[in-house]
Parts: sequence; C-alpha cells; structure tokens
Amino acid sequence: GDSVTQMEGPVTLSEEAFLTINCTYTATGYPSLFWYVQYPGEGLQLLLKATKADDKGSNKGFEATYRKETTSFHLEKGSVQVSDSAVYFCALSDPPQTGGFKTIFGAGTRLFVKA
Amino acid sequence: SQTIHQWPATLVQPVGSPLSLECTVEGTSNPNLYWYRQAAGRGLQLLFYSVGIGQISSEVPQNLSASRPQDRQFILSSKKLLLSDSGFYLCAWSETSIAYYNEQFFGPGTRLTVL
Repeated sequence: GDSVTQMEGPVTLSEEAFLTINCTYTATGYPSLFWYVQYPGEGLQLLLKATKADDKGSNKGFEATYRKETTSFHLEKGSVQVSDSAVYFCALSDPPQTGGFKTIFGAGTRLFVKA
Repeated sequence: SQTIHQWPATLVQPVGSPLSLECTVEGTSNPNLYWYRQAAGRGLQLLFYSVGIGQISSEVPQNLSASRPQDRQFILSSKKLLLSDSGFYLCAWSETSIAYYNEQFFGPGTRLTVL
C-alpha cells in the first residue's frame, strides 16, 4: 500500500540556518503531496501542496518540489526563524477521481530553532 | 468560510468510564470526516472516516466507535476507557469535490488523559 517516510527528528537549527526535511513516498498511482505543520498544542494545518510531477508548492518561505523520478517531496527553507519551531508532517493522498479520500501521513519531524 | 469545532478541549477521565468527543463543521456540506489519534511525541493514527451520514469505516479495531448522526457532525465514543486511550484526538474534514485533492482541515484537538 501507499506509504510516506520522512527523516527522524528532532532537528535543531540556529536562527537563519537552512532547513531541509527529507520525505520519500511509495504509491501505486499519481498522488497529491502535502506538507502539514503542527504548532505546540494545536491541530495540523496545511503548509503547502503539489498535485503533479515537477510542481513546486510554496508558502511562508517554505518550498517543496514533487519529484516523481525520485519519489520525493523534500521540504526546504532558506532561513528559519524561532517561530518555525513545530512538527512537520509529509503526506500523500490518491486523487479523488480514483476513489481516494484518505491521506497517508509520515511520522512527523520535530524542528527546534534556537535564537 | 468553513470552520471546524471540537469539544471539549481537554478531558481527564478515569479508566472504565465512557467517552464522547464531538466534532462539527460549518460552511460546507457533505464533507468527508475523519478522527485521528496522536500519542505523545508520535505521528497520526487514522481511527475512523466517514463519506456520508451513517457511513463509518474503521481503520483500527479497538474499544472506540464513531457515529455521524448529521451531515456535519462526527462523534467519537467509548463505553469503557483504557489507559492506552490517552492521547490527542484530532477531527478533520475534506471536500468531496475532485477539485480539492483531499486537502484536510483539522480541528484544534481534544487532549484526553485517562487515569
């Protein structure tokens, strides 16, 4: 079945450092890919998404590119801030057109940013 | 605009007591609805999902149950809580239209502690 694997955390960075959180996936079809973020004590919220190969999702300085050839969707940010400290989840979902309505989440990567 | 509500926000219950968590969505109709559990420091575990009134699918056999008595209401229940039921419970919804790629919208969560 479909699955998502993301790098284990925690990841600890200093403010203004470059961030990469690796994510790879396994899917039989052509899923949509997502990054969600969870701040302490809150629910998840969508950070960015990409719905087809070579799409780049971006939001709040974060970017991720849908790489079908390497089945990857790595999250990057050029300069992190203390306020980016959170847990980041990579996820995939099969297209609704094919009957998919469940989202498969990775285990989450906790990011700590030090001032 | 759409909003999702969960209550209560926090709950402390003794082992063996019943449970009822409620989730409601406003501003949309016929959404897909989901219950997830997140154990401390862990990823998301999908418990139940529903694609319509009275239609419930269970992902993990356990002492929990779910019901959808109205289009935008989703209830998580238990007759007798176990210590292992402690965790952060998240409700989420997604559009059923194929244009929305199954992007999920999460509620603020309920933190349940079973003593």
